[in-house]
Parts: sequence; C-alpha cells; structure tokens
Amino acid sequence: DADVTQTPRNRITKTGKRIMLECSQTKGHDRMYWYRQDPGLGLRLIYYSFDVKDINKGEISDGYSVSRQAQAKFSLSLESAIPNQTALYFCATSESGGPNNEQFFGPGTRLTVL
Amino acid sequence: AQKITQTQPGMFVQEKEAVTLDCTYDTSDPSYGLFWYKQPSSGEMIFLIYQGSYDQQNATEGRYSLNFQKARKSANLVISASQLGDSAMYFCAMREAYNQAGTALIFGKGTTLSVSS
Repeated sequence: DADVTQTPRNRITKTGKRIMLECSQTKGHDRMYWYRQDPGLGLRLIYYSFDVKDINKGEISDGYSVSRQAQAKFSLSLESAIPNQTALYFCATSESGGPNNEQFFGPGTRLTVL
Repeated sequence: AQKITQTQPGMFVQEKEAVTLDCTYDTSDPSYGLFWYKQPSSGEMIFLIYQGSYDQQNATEGRYSLNFQKARKSANLVISASQLGDSAMYFCAMREAYNQAGTALIFGKGTTLSVSS
C-alpha cells in the first residue's frame, strides 16, 4: 500500500461548489503539506502543518482552507471553487528536523473547475 | 526574486547520452538542502537525489549525480546514459532550515526532458 494516499484522484466540479481533497499517510510523519501544480509554474505551497495543532498558510492560501484531523490526515477544502483553481494538487509529508529530510508525495489529485 | 531557477524549459537527448539539467538557487540561509524530483507523464513526483549545503562531496544515486557548485549557487542534475524512460519533467527544489515555512520545498518551474532512440 502507498505511504501517502490522496482521494479523489480526479475530480470535476462546477464553479461555486465546495470540494474537499483528502490526504492520508502511514509514514508516521509529523509534517504535512499541500501544494498545487500549474503548467509552467512548478509546485507552490498552499498550506503546511507541523502537527495537529499547528497549521500555517503557505504562498497561495487564498481561497483554500485545511483541516488536520489527526497526525495521519490532512484535508484541503475549496469553499467555493473557481476555474483558476483547476490544477494538480499534491499532498506531501516529511519528518520534522533539518533540511535534509526528503518529502514524500502522494499521487496527486487532478481537479477541474468548470 | 526567484529562489529556484531552471532556465531550460525543454531538453532533448538521444539514448545512452549524458544530459545536464541546470538549476540555480538563491538563499541567505547557511543550512539548506537541494532536491531533484522526476515527474513522468502519469503525474507522480519521484525523488531522485539530495544534496545538503554542508556536504563536501557531490551526491550520486545510480545514473543520477548532482553537480553542486556552492559558490555559484548551482545544483545541476546529470543523468548519465539516458534511457527512454527518463523522458519526464524534472524539478529542482530547495529547503531552507530557517525558512518561515519550515521544511516546505521551494520548487523551480521544471525542465521537460525528451529522450529519443
């Protein structure tokens, strides 16, 4: 089984709808992250969490919210989806500590907002 | 200013040849890590190689090596003996020890590598 899972893998929704993307991990890592990938822009950080009670905004948090339900679960919500939120979304985890800790990525969720 | 710059949107190489993908970075943090990820057309992010700012030797992982030139702030990925399966997007990323976002990665915009037979 994959260490970092994301559901759904693909989603098409309409403008104005609320949508939740879920991420679960079995690696036992404290730190979890949400990134979005747009063509030509690389990956950009939306939110990150160091533990259940520590959630922080990243570079592009407007229009998004998150919930860290447990150490293993980190959900990303779009309260009212808009077309420019169409992107590939990645969840990632890492151990706490210094800069040498690899991040482990989920398989990604392709979201299309019509 | 961009923290990670990948200046090659696309690279083309023939099978069995070596290829270098460029990456320059900008940081004032003395402690940082540099990563390369591969993203095939299926979309997943595959970790390739890591270089720490205090590492004395260039990192190597199989056919991948990282040409780390600290004074020039460059961390180029070298793929030796390219294979058709190397065709993918490649991302350079950096983690700063004292970044406000903690250990989140800062990504470049990526380079698309195409390997032909």
